[in-house]
Amino acid sequence: ETGVTQTPRHLVMGMTNKKSLKCEQHLGHNAMYWYKQSAKKPLELMFVYSLEERVENNSVPSRFSPECPNSSHLFLHLHTLQPEDSALYLCASSQDSSGKVGEQYFGPGTRLTVT
Amino acid sequence: QKEVEQNSGPLSVPEGAIASLNCTYSDRGSQSFFWYRQYSGKSPELIMSIYSNGDKEDGRFTAQLNKASQYVSLLIRDSQPSDSATYLCAARSGTGGFKTIFGAGTRLFVKA
Repeated sequence: ETGVTQTPRHLVMGMTNKKSLKCEQHLGHNAMYWYKQSAKKPLELMFVYSLEERVENNSVPSRFSPECPNSSHLFLHLHTLQPEDSALYLCASSQDSSGKVGEQYFGPGTRLTVT
Repeated sequence: QKEVEQNSGPLSVPEGAIASLNCTYSDRGSQSFFWYRQYSGKSPELIMSIYSNGDKEDGRFTAQLNKASQYVSLLIRDSQPSDSATYLCAARSGTGGFKTIFGAGTRLFVKA
């Protein structure tokens, strides 16, 4: 596997379900991000982890719970979601070294539908 | 509210022409700027980063930054139909944080 991978690629869940999204980066990066992309809206940053410590939490509802067990893996745990949470969820990683600050590499995304 | 603004388009250019994409940002503290390309149904792909005023060239792409005017642009020379995509502009604060603000994107169509 190369780059940033995400599983599952598609997910349909009911409002009472609990599910988790998984992201893995194979780039040796030290920061990982969760974004939400809804139709006709800009990418919305949800969470950022740097060296496994959460450094950004962008006023995201508590029904979304991130977990970063190590610098290569990132999870987004979902529970009691609402239909308006249906979107593409993107994971990204970056290595903030000289000359490359903030360059993010995205995974393919998980298309989430909440019914 | 810190914002990044882009014309949503669509911007239509003939094959071989120069496509010019523009972006403005509101946070004067922004230090790092990025252009991503996103094909329909795919995730964003980084194509350029720029950190200092002036031009930065990479192949057919040139990014331009003017911090005084809070303006970033992307020029695509010799545009190809395969360049047809949505181009996202992004800005990150220079205060040591990781927050990156994305624009809504400009749709580009390159006509063969």
